[in-house]
Amino acid sequence: QVQLVQSGAEVKKPGASVKVSCEASGYTFTDYYLHWVRQAPGQGLEWMGWINPNLGITNYAQKFQGRVTMTRDTSMKTAFMALNRLTSDDTATYFCARERSPSEFWSGYPEAFDIWGQGTSVTVSS
Amino acid sequence: QSVLTQPPSASGTPGQRVTISCSGSSSNIAYNFVYWYQQLPGSAPKLLIYRNSQRPSGVPDRISGSKSGTSASLAISGLRSEDEANYYCAAWDDSLNLYVFGPGTEVTVL
Repeated sequence: QVQLVQSGAEVKKPGASVKVSCEASGYTFTDYYLHWVRQAPGQGLEWMGWINPNLGITNYAQKFQGRVTMTRDTSMKTAFMALNRLTSDDTATYFCARERSPSEFWSGYPEAFDIWGQGTSVTVSS
Repeated sequence: QSVLTQPPSASGTPGQRVTISCSGSSSNIAYNFVYWYQQLPGSAPKLLIYRNSQRPSGVPDRISGSKSGTSASLAISGLRSEDEANYYCAAWDDSLNLYVFGPGTEVTVL
């Protein structure tokens, strides 16, 4: 079945970096944009940006520009999200999510996220 | 402070109809599509509604979405215990160049 499987929980110290992976299966990895969304404990959802897995093109929310890097390995059907200069405010569950429509129908901005990874908990603590 | 506004909570008894509102502005809801997600405790969000009122396959027709002007709403008819969850609206904001989520509404089945 169509699914996204993320890497395991991480504990990091302030100032460190984290890299979360998201492996796709059950569909053609390069045909759909992938997004990253995070959720702080007890809080709402926050969109971080997207990657076009076919071309490797990315777009980041302004809040994270300069600190986040989204990449992919098409041979592994895996997307990655790296976040550096971590602070306690980055403690959250990080989700990858697939854009519902195939890339050929991309409207120019994110629409609906129909498949989600299970989430990766990242804790930043000294 | 969220760009989209939702009531923090809503409730109903089994079988009732519950409606959740989502208020935005001319830079988001007015000219862009609205999406709704359901999140059960400890789980990833699930897409319930896309493009204002479209249901993905597998979402029952007792779930419906609508939009008018700068506001949207999600209606759940025939409320069931498994509907207890947090519900988030979302839309693209042209001014912020950001996909924005509402703060979420916690639905309780009494």
